Amino acid sequence: QVQLQESGPGLVKPSETLSLTCSVSGASITDYYWNWIRQPPGKGLEWIGFIHYSGNTMRNPSLASRVTMSVDTSKYQFSLKVHSVMAADTAVYYCARWGSGGGHNVNAFDMWGQGTTVTVS
Amino acid sequence: EVVLTQSPGTLSLSPGERATLSCRASQSVDNTHLAWYQQKPGQAPRLLIYGASSRATGIPDRFSGSGSGTDFTLSISGLEPEDFAVYYCQHYNNSPLTFGGGTKVEFK
Repeated sequence: QVQLQESGPGLVKPSETLSLTCSVSGASITDYYWNWIRQPPGKGLEWIGFIHYSGNTMRNPSLASRVTMSVDTSKYQFSLKVHSVMAADTAVYYCARWGSGGGHNVNAFDMWGQGTTVTVS
Repeated sequence: EVVLTQSPGTLSLSPGERATLSCRASQSVDNTHLAWYQQKPGQAPRLLIYGASSRATGIPDRFSGSGSGTDFTLSISGLEPEDFAVYYCQHYNNSPLTFGGGTKVEFK
């Protein structure tokens, strides 16, 4: 059973760095692209970016200058940093698997973490 | 950037009725790169449909997707109480991946 679990501080001060980690179990971390998606309170979903264990990354241009992503295959974790945060970065942050990989051919986010709320204040 | 516009914003229906949700793209989207998700309050989104018309694992067959080019539709035949939720479409045609603004299916 594939499980993703986000972890990190729930409160970050303006201008500081938001740091989150997603722990993966039940799936090979080297077979898939791993994503971050966020949802401001009462609003829709915004894709932040993806990372592959090879180092291949892609970020949403709207956030690219402030976002860093990394993956630690030994710990089965991948991470997100958003630098110089502001109130508009307050959101529920989700990690999600892009399902195309490991023999699957699902071009969509097929597995999601439960989400973690981050408040910038 | 591909903008996905979902309509209506809210759909008020009763259990047993059919729901038809629309997702219109600002430019043509490859069928294989259009997905639909369901989200309930306090929960993460759940994948329903990928490749415009393929049901994800465990999704009941009352959910169906169709469409091509710039116009896509999610249909729910015979709404069950657990289907009242917000639905999002999403594309992966190019970067950035984007989501539509959502359609809320509420009890009439």
